[in-house]
Amino acid sequence: QMQLQESGPGLVKPSGTLSLTCAVSGGSISSDNWWSWVRQSPGKGLEWIGEVFHNQYGGSTNYNPSLKSRVIMSVDTAKNEFSLNLTSVTAADTAVYFCARDRSSSTLRSNYFDPWGQGIMVTVSS
Amino acid sequence: DIVMTQSPDSLTLSLGERATITCKSSQNIFYGSNKNYLAWYQQKPGQPPKLLIYWASTRHSGVPDRFSGAGSGTDFTLTISSLQAEDVATYYCQHYYSTPPTFGQGTKVEIK
Repeated sequence: QMQLQESGPGLVKPSGTLSLTCAVSGGSISSDNWWSWVRQSPGKGLEWIGEVFHNQYGGSTNYNPSLKSRVIMSVDTAKNEFSLNLTSVTAADTAVYFCARDRSSSTLRSNYFDPWGQGIMVTVSS
Repeated sequence: DIVMTQSPDSLTLSLGERATITCKSSQNIFYGSNKNYLAWYQQKPGQPPKLLIYWASTRHSGVPDRFSGAGSGTDFTLTISSLQAEDVATYYCQHYYSTPPTFGQGTKVEIK
């Protein structure tokens, strides 16, 4: 059974970079799946951040246009994990961050999410 | 972005009663091959969302059959046919018709 687990700092300073990693177990990150980050805050509810894909032929990313200028996602196939970097953070980026398998494949766009990681609370504060 | 609007914001019912949650999208999320690009999730406090329904009406593996999804185009419903204590949670709809996928604001279901 596939499981995902987020890790990273729980506190980031304003204007800094939020860096999180999602470790995937029970499946290969290079399988025909996309991998997403979603965040949840009291003010904005659930918000999709973006997705990353990687297979033997290469990789690709799609980002939420509202965050695109600040987001970079990548895959580490050796560690079977994927990462999120969000730059120039402010208090508005304080949220619980979830990683999830995106059920899209290379042939069908179907961005619903299962399974999800447990989530990690990230606070932006000095 | 497509805006997803759920109603009601909260619902308090007795055990065994029928719960119906409505989700409306700001534009049509039906596409070819007879598919509505809509999912439903259940989230309990301190847990991640859990997938219940996708393609508007396909129940995810392991989800009890008291949960059902219906609707097409812009109007959708999630029904719990007989509310159980373990169904206390917040429920979210989400479209995946276009980028970015977006979620409804959530409907909190409680027991009377």
